[in-house]
Amino acid sequence: DAGVTQSPTHLIKTRGQQVTLRCSPKSGHDTVSWYQQALGQGPQFIFQYYEEEERQRGNFPDRFSGHQFPNYSSELNVNALLLGDSALYLCASSLLTGTGEQYFGPGTRLTVT
Amino acid sequence: AQKVTQAQTEISVVEKEDVTLDCVYETRDTTYYLFWYKQPPSGELVFLIRRNSFDEQNEISGRYSWNFQKSTSSFNFTITASQVVDSAVYFCALSESLGTALIFGKGTTLSVSS
Repeated sequence: DAGVTQSPTHLIKTRGQQVTLRCSPKSGHDTVSWYQQALGQGPQFIFQYYEEEERQRGNFPDRFSGHQFPNYSSELNVNALLLGDSALYLCASSLLTGTGEQYFGPGTRLTVT
Repeated sequence: AQKVTQAQTEISVVEKEDVTLDCVYETRDTTYYLFWYKQPPSGELVFLIRRNSFDEQNEISGRYSWNFQKSTSSFNFTITASQVVDSAVYFCALSESLGTALIFGKGTTLSVSS
């Protein structure tokens, strides 16, 4: 049973550029959430997608946007990258009608120079 | 607003010692959910436990146990007879309803030496 997968593993971008991160949920899951984890901090919720719609959003600017596809996979897009966007981006999947556990992928390490 | 505080930034123990990781939460909701996750050096968060606010029964799973006390808004995690493989960052998290955003604490780094 495949778990949550994310790509790429690492990414280096320059300030002002745009980036797209990808996530495939655990088999049987229909909900995808994205989190940003800065070094030495706990993950911070960015947004959650269900049925291809943004269901909930955290306190992140509009530069952060997302998408969910019919196969439940998801993308996170960040425009106009800032140095402060350097972080580990974690994708988590869950079943909306399940017991609440979110299962996390290995993350994408984004470095903005 | 919801908030999770893990006051212990780092804990170092020697193998076989017992260790307790503290978690204090704040919420105005009467129904909420608490979680513990483990983040080993590989970076992937591993789910350990979920607890509902209306169930204060403590839980034990092998060497792991959890103590939930609504009166003090705490959800502490104890590892008995710690092992080197327990070395990781442990996060406590809170959500207002099932399946919604997780609010994480800053984590406690546990180092277990042999």
